[in-house]
Amino acid sequence: EVQLVEFGGGLVKPGVSLRLSCAASGFTFSSYTMNWVRQAPGKGLEWVSSISSGSSDKYYADSVKGRFTISRDNAKNSLYLQMNSLRVEDTAVYYCARDSTFDPWGQGTLVTVSS
Amino acid sequence: QSVLTQPPSASGTPGQRVTISCSGSSSNIGSNTVNWYQQLPGTAPKLLIYSNNQRPSGVPDRFSGSKSGTSASLAISGLQSEDEADYYCATWDDSLNGPYVFGTGTKVTVL
Repeated sequence: EVQLVEFGGGLVKPGVSLRLSCAASGFTFSSYTMNWVRQAPGKGLEWVSSISSGSSDKYYADSVKGRFTISRDNAKNSLYLQMNSLRVEDTAVYYCARDSTFDPWGQGTLVTVSS
Repeated sequence: QSVLTQPPSASGTPGQRVTISCSGSSSNIGSNTVNWYQQLPGTAPKLLIYSNNQRPSGVPDRFSGSKSGTSASLAISGLQSEDEADYYCATWDDSLNGPYVFGTGTKVTVL
């Protein structure tokens, strides 16, 4: 069964850093582009970042560019999102999703940025 | 602010047909295929339609998608109570703003 499990979320203060992880299983992780998408409370979906299978290409939304870094470890079947200089407006559930079709999605991990 | 516009809500009675529109531009829908996602209350989104009109395995055939020019649409025929959810269109965008964009989302209510 293809499965994605995110973890690493929590309550943090503005300006601090947080690293999210996404553990993949049930498929050949190293063959797929991977993505991060977030959803603020009561709001719609917002694409955050994507990384190619071999890490050569990385893309970011303007809202996180320069603050967030996407990476992956194909040996560990893991995807990461390093989030620096967090802002209140980064509060959201963060999902990882596979491939250019964003299928499937993990269950999400909540990041709350509040003073 | 999303570049793909959807109506905020749609509704129908069980058995009816409901259609959701998704309006974009030449840099996104006009030049790329469209995917649709269903998000049931309290759950993660799920791929419903890919490549404009293809259904993943397990998705009922009462869900269908289409695309014309810079717009796309999702149709739900034979509406069922379990279809009550949020629906999002999405596609790649060739502009400088970023590769992937989601629609504003449509809440479908089964009356």
